Amino acid sequence: GAVVSQHPSWVICKSGTSVKIECRSLDFQATTMFWYRQFPKQSLMLMATSNEGSKATYEQGVEKDKFLINHASLTLSTLTVTSAHPEDSSFYICSARPPAGRFGTDTQYFGPGTRLTVL
Amino acid sequence: RKEVEQDPGPFNVPEGATVAFNCTYSNSASQSFFWYRQDCRKEPKLLMSVYSSGNEDGRFTAQLNRASQYISLLIRDSKLSDSATYLCVASKNYGGSQGNLIFGKGTKLSVKP
Repeated sequence: GAVVSQHPSWVICKSGTSVKIECRSLDFQATTMFWYRQFPKQSLMLMATSNEGSKATYEQGVEKDKFLINHASLTLSTLTVTSAHPEDSSFYICSARPPAGRFGTDTQYFGPGTRLTVL
Repeated sequence: RKEVEQDPGPFNVPEGATVAFNCTYSNSASQSFFWYRQDCRKEPKLLMSVYSSGNEDGRFTAQLNRASQYISLLIRDSKLSDSATYLCVASKNYGGSQGNLIFGKGTKLSVKP
């Protein structure tokens, strides 16, 4: 399967600071990457779809000014949680979709996740 | 109604048992379906895609019934290493969202010696 990396794997920060999370597809170019959030014992919830070279598409209820997404290249998308607060503490996971035809349509491969704790 | 619904379990089974998970999805426009497994505090990993004709991968068999909007996963000869949460996933190919995945909450499986 395809490989997606995420950095950092965990971060602890003070309330009010901003945190940047990187997502990289290591062995394929991804025109589309996705950002999810998972609270304890809950399902993964899609936050936004990141398209290379264009603005991200945010799901309903996700503040685009708080969760800044940049997909500057075909292998890198970043999520910045601005002015983080304790309620933003969660497991943030990115995924990348390989080009159509490789590994099957709609298949997504996930990064290892970033555990964010805001004090 | 949730878009993808699963029995949360937990399913506690002995090694060697056969266990089946079920899942329903609400939107008939969904086109692709998957089972992922997620270990505690880890990312989801693709287990298998699900096709209408049914598909098998070793000890794992997945079935899709579009008429009933129902998906199943059968695990035969359970191993200790099968202990994980199994996520039922449907793709959201409607409303302008292409290929976005909708996850169920997952069904927890615990295989005991």
